[in-house]
Amino acid sequence: GESVGLHLPTLSVQEGDNSIINCAYSNSASDYFIWYKQESGKGPQFIIDIRSNMDKRQGQRVTVLLNKTVKHLSLQIAATQPGDSAVYFCAENSNYGGSQGNLIFGKGTKLSVKP
Amino acid sequence: KAGVTQTPRYLIKTRGQQVTLSCSPISGHRSVSWYQQTPGQGLQFLFEYFSETQRNKGNFPGRFSGRQFSNSRSEMNVSTLELGDSALYLCASRGRGRAFPYEQYFGPGTRLTVT
Repeated sequence: GESVGLHLPTLSVQEGDNSIINCAYSNSASDYFIWYKQESGKGPQFIIDIRSNMDKRQGQRVTVLLNKTVKHLSLQIAATQPGDSAVYFCAENSNYGGSQGNLIFGKGTKLSVKP
Repeated sequence: KAGVTQTPRYLIKTRGQQVTLSCSPISGHRSVSWYQQTPGQGLQFLFEYFSETQRNKGNFPGRFSGRQFSNSRSEMNVSTLELGDSALYLCASRGRGRAFPYEQYFGPGTRLTVT
């Protein structure tokens, strides 16, 4: 079935370094991808999204890269800060059944930022 | 603009009981999706409602049901609770119907514990 997975379940980085979180997806029909950040006790927070007709999209300190050839997605965080410590999820949407409301989530990567 | 709100935030129920969770989307948003989050299965899509109609449903038993009201507020119900239903139930709202972008904004969740 459809699935979205993560290569690294945990990632520890030094404050100020750049972080890269990876994600593999299996459904080549997926046309939309999102990265979420979830802090303890909170719901997922939208970070950045990208459509399948794009390879790269940049936000504030974050960049998402999409490689459709190998079905790979990555989130780059520049100058990682302690406040970036959280679990990061990638999610995909394939417009299955005509609905855009059924995101398929990866298992998540825990990012720990060392001061 | 207020975010997605969910009530109650915490709930303890006994096996066999039923429970109703409530979600109020962001003002103006008409799409509401529900997700179940557990440590073992991660974030899994339950169902999506748009304009009071269920548009898609995930792979959950019929004990899980939902509805949406004319003001876009949504409820989900779980009947005959099982221990495995213990989870964080997240509601997400989205404003643009079938049009891109598809980003969903999550509420803080309802933590359900079944004993």
